[in-house]
Formats: sequence, structure tokens, C-alpha cells
Amino acid sequence: SAVISQKPSRDICQRGTSLTIQCQVDSQVTMMFWYRQQPGQSLTLIATANQGSEATYESGFVIDKFPISRPNLTFSTLTVSNMSPEDSSIYLCSYHAYTDTQYFGPGTRLTVL
Amino acid sequence: AQSVTQLGSHVSVSEGALVLLRCNYSSSVPPYLFWYVQYPNQGLQLLLKYTTGATLVKGINGFEAEFKKSETSFHLTKPSAHMSDAAEYFCAVSVNTGTASKLTFGTGTRLQVTL
Repeated sequence: SAVISQKPSRDICQRGTSLTIQCQVDSQVTMMFWYRQQPGQSLTLIATANQGSEATYESGFVIDKFPISRPNLTFSTLTVSNMSPEDSSIYLCSYHAYTDTQYFGPGTRLTVL
Repeated sequence: AQSVTQLGSHVSVSEGALVLLRCNYSSSVPPYLFWYVQYPNQGLQLLLKYTTGATLVKGINGFEAEFKKSETSFHLTKPSAHMSDAAEYFCAVSVNTGTASKLTFGTGTRLQVTL
């Protein structure tokens, strides 16, 4: 499987600010995804990052709050905008391999004060 | 739509004892099933998966799971627990839409291994 990395690994931010999380895969992949894992909870899909087109958001998530870019087949970013303490979570990206399997990055641990 | 139920948010076993983590799924079409493990302060690591073929699948670190269609289950087992197995385990189901497979996760089971 390809190696997937995220930056930053963790951050502490002030409310009202925005944070952009980067996700890099070391080979070209068709589908990339962004998930949120709130404290003590399971993973919830935020959106599918489509290369060359707008991301597809799941119910409850909107582009104004979580803008996503996918400029090429190896890279994607997720921005958490106008943050509040409720946005404190682990944000994970993943990619979909041809084997019908998703592989996950190490996550970005965000704390909003 | 598919869903996953993991029975038991916390499971505690003694080192050397059998590990059994339960997962039941709901899907209107043949599912793909996965178990992921999350160690403290880390991302998710794929343990094993079932797509088609043999219903007993073996994964990393001595874990295995059996797909039982009649029981809509995909329970995870390991004959002998090790301290290093302490982690959060997530069962997930996906349905192949033809372009991609969306994963739906269970709520997770935290495994504690005691001496």
C-alpha cells in the first residue's frame, strides 16, 4: 500500500481562526476521503475529495465550514474554518485503493481553545 | 444503507486469553467488511478484510474473523491476547458503488489486556 502522511500531526488553535490540514500520498490514487473522529467517538465521513472537481460532502457537513482541495492525484487539503471548541477532533484522511480498501493517514489532532 | 453494530464498548481480557470482539452489520447488498485497529495517538491500521471468497480471513498480529452471512456477523478473534493488543478496534462495512466504496464504521471497542 502507498504511504500516506498528514501535516500537522497536532495543533492548538484559537476559536475563530482556521486551520488547513495537508494529506500526501506517495503514489497516485483515485479517491481520497476526509473523516472526523470526535473525542471518544467513531469516525464520521466529512467528504470525498474528487480530483479536478468539487468535493462531495456528507449530510451535516458544508463547504463553507470544511473547504477541501484536491489539486492532483497525490494531495488534498482540508480546512477547518472559523473554529469553535466543538471542532476539537482528530481529522483523518484516507485513500481508496483498487483493492476496495481504504488506507488511513496518522491523523491530525486538533484542539480549539 | 449499511450500518455496523459493535457489541461492547469496552472488553477486558487477561494476557493469554481468547479475544472476541463482536460485530454485526446490516447491508442490502453483499458487503465488504473490515476491521481496523487504532493504537493510542495513532491513525487507523487495517487488520483484515472480507470481500469475497473464503469466509474465514486471517489478518495481521494473529487476528482472524469469520464472515457469517446467516448471522450478519463478522466477529474478530485472537486465540491468545498480548499486552500489545490493547487498542481501539473498529469494524466497518462498505458497499461498492462502482466508483468507490464508502465506509461506515461501528462505534468501536476498546480492548484492555491485563496481566
